[in-house]
Amino acid sequence: QKEVEQDPGPLSVPEGAIVSLNCTYSNSAFQYFMWYRQYSRKGPELLMYTYSSGNKEDGRFTAQVDKSSKYISLFIRDSQPSDSATYLCAMSASRGNNNDMRFGAGTRLTVKP
Amino acid sequence: EADIYQTPRYLVIGTGKKITLECSQTMGHDKMYWYQQDPGMELHLIHYSYGVNSTEKGDLSSESTVSRIRTEHFPLTLESARPSHTSQYLCASSPQGSGNQPQHFGDGTRLSIL
Repeated sequence: QKEVEQDPGPLSVPEGAIVSLNCTYSNSAFQYFMWYRQYSRKGPELLMYTYSSGNKEDGRFTAQVDKSSKYISLFIRDSQPSDSATYLCAMSASRGNNNDMRFGAGTRLTVKP
Repeated sequence: EADIYQTPRYLVIGTGKKITLECSQTMGHDKMYWYQQDPGMELHLIHYSYGVNSTEKGDLSSESTVSRIRTEHFPLTLESARPSHTSQYLCASSPQGSGNQPQHFGDGTRLSIL
């Protein structure tokens, strides 16, 4: 069983829709959670970074962490065609070295104008 | 924001060749990483470094080697390329600091071994 499970999609939504992207994990030691956006032929770009449980908002993006359910989400409000990309969740348990980072396989999102 | 540069971006080469993938970062980050990314699969860590003269193997077994002679430079070498090495290779870096610092990625090298 993978440590991090992410629905691969693909997910297609109309412009302006609210998008929900999710990951589940099995390692209860994970406490640092990240979402990356990866455009085609580009490297992952850090979108959101949260520690432990709770919500974090940045513009149209909201990250949620529910450690009791081992479930994290990324919400995109008022989605735009420029949001079309693959979204990767990532998580780590260690405080200092983060060579233990684990990634989801990514969800491909298309936002249609 | 970290600036990480990977060269070449694309490489198609024959079996048995020696290959070096270059990675440089301009932010003075102590920690650097190499990941392998295949379509529809999660990133797998193949090498990492905590600083100059420090290199460690990651979770995914790899026939590649790395070196860290300068803080900003973390090249990856394949002594004899094989078709099984075909993949995308991503370099990342993160700063030293308290807590867990997120990693910043380059745009990758897409490697095809014929």
